Amino acid sequence: AQKVTQAQTEISVVEKEDVTLDCVYETRDTTYYLFWYKQPPSGELVFLIRRNSFDEQNEISGRYSWNFQKSTSSFNFTITASQVVDSAVYFCALSGNRDDKIIFGKGTRLHILP
Amino acid sequence: GAVVSQHPSRVICKSGTSVKIECRSLDFQATTMFWYRQFPKKSLMLMATSNEGSKATYEQGVEKDKFLINHASLTLSTLTVTSAHPEDSSFYICSARIPGLAADTQYFGPGTRLTVL
Repeated sequence: AQKVTQAQTEISVVEKEDVTLDCVYETRDTTYYLFWYKQPPSGELVFLIRRNSFDEQNEISGRYSWNFQKSTSSFNFTITASQVVDSAVYFCALSGNRDDKIIFGKGTRLHILP
Repeated sequence: GAVVSQHPSRVICKSGTSVKIECRSLDFQATTMFWYRQFPKKSLMLMATSNEGSKATYEQGVEKDKFLINHASLTLSTLTVTSAHPEDSSFYICSARIPGLAADTQYFGPGTRLTVL
């Protein structure tokens, strides 16, 4: 069975602090895809990153960075120098190679305090 | 990138009525679309997979007679909530997959917020 665990339900940090959102996944598929989505109060899902299981390189995009560790089945997301606009719910998600279903974690609600 | 729209964005209806939500892929043809449901402060739960020209595949626990899905064309899938009740109030999100690309390529619509009085 596929599963995504985001242990942090809610996080609050002061603006300009760095923050890491944790994601641990379970799958039996040898090929799979991992995602991070941002959901602001408007509700629309904003795609942040997609990573396939064969690519363990860490990725940096501006203030965002992702650390993919197959050995620990983790795909953590770090926001550097956080800003108030980063306040949102962030979902980690997983898709296997047997079907197209995307399984979402429960989300982490991030509050960036001014 | 690819665009997926949903209509309406927000709907309020009386208990017992049926509500239809449309999901359209605007600049690509989608043989497969997905419907998700999200309760307040909860995660997205996959309800069903909609395949063009065939019956939808529902996830365990989702009532197929309650949530009717029709995928009549390559750009449109509809979700009808029949005889809606207050417990059906939720945020419904669709996604569409571009055929021929990797299974990871899904584009999400902006969502429809349903409130049943």
